[in-house]
Amino acid sequence: NAGVMQNPRHLVRRRGQEARLRCSPMKGHSHVYWYRQLPEEGLKFMVYLQKENIIDESGMPKERFSAEFPKEGPSILRIQQVVRGDSAAYFCASSPPGGSDTEAFFGQGTRLTVV
Amino acid sequence: AQSVTQLGSHVSVSEGALVLLRCNYSSSVPPYLFWYVQYPNQGLQLLLKYTTGATLVKGINGFEAEFKKSETSFHLTKPSAHMSDAAEYFCAVSERGRRALTFGSGTRLQVQP
Repeated sequence: NAGVMQNPRHLVRRRGQEARLRCSPMKGHSHVYWYRQLPEEGLKFMVYLQKENIIDESGMPKERFSAEFPKEGPSILRIQQVVRGDSAAYFCASSPPGGSDTEAFFGQGTRLTVV
Repeated sequence: AQSVTQLGSHVSVSEGALVLLRCNYSSSVPPYLFWYVQYPNQGLQLLLKYTTGATLVKGINGFEAEFKKSETSFHLTKPSAHMSDAAEYFCAVSERGRRALTFGSGTRLQVQP
């Protein structure tokens, strides 16, 4: 059973370009979470999705950021018109159905650098 | 809103010494509590978690943590540090009924030979 797969591992974008980060959850997991880690900081929750539904987006910036988890295929975190402050590691996690004590499994992250 | 405080952004111990990483949370209702470890350029791996029941929780790699409601703490310990324990450790909480994790800012553990 492969773990949570994120790609690309490293992504370089120029200011103003779009960044697309992909996350394939573990087999059998229907819940996906995105977190952002700024340098020297802990992870900050961004969004929680189930298939075709956004459940909690309380941590998402109001502009330029969007996330989806379609019926088929990976979850996508999309950042439009990137700025230098978007440079960070973006982690995806997945979990099976269950309560809020259910363990989330993390991917290795995508390190976005905006130049 | 929940918050998690990890005292000491850097902790250095000698190999074989006790490891103590501190975590305090703010919540009127005891949340679920987690410790994760992150190795360089890797994702996070769960060390242990507290949900209900016994307040002393044992995890992987010889780590354990004790939930103390009166102190709103969930400190992580290991009796004898190993070089391979050098990593960043994150304490996290989730409110009951909510899936999102709130993380502390992390503690980088250094193990000296």
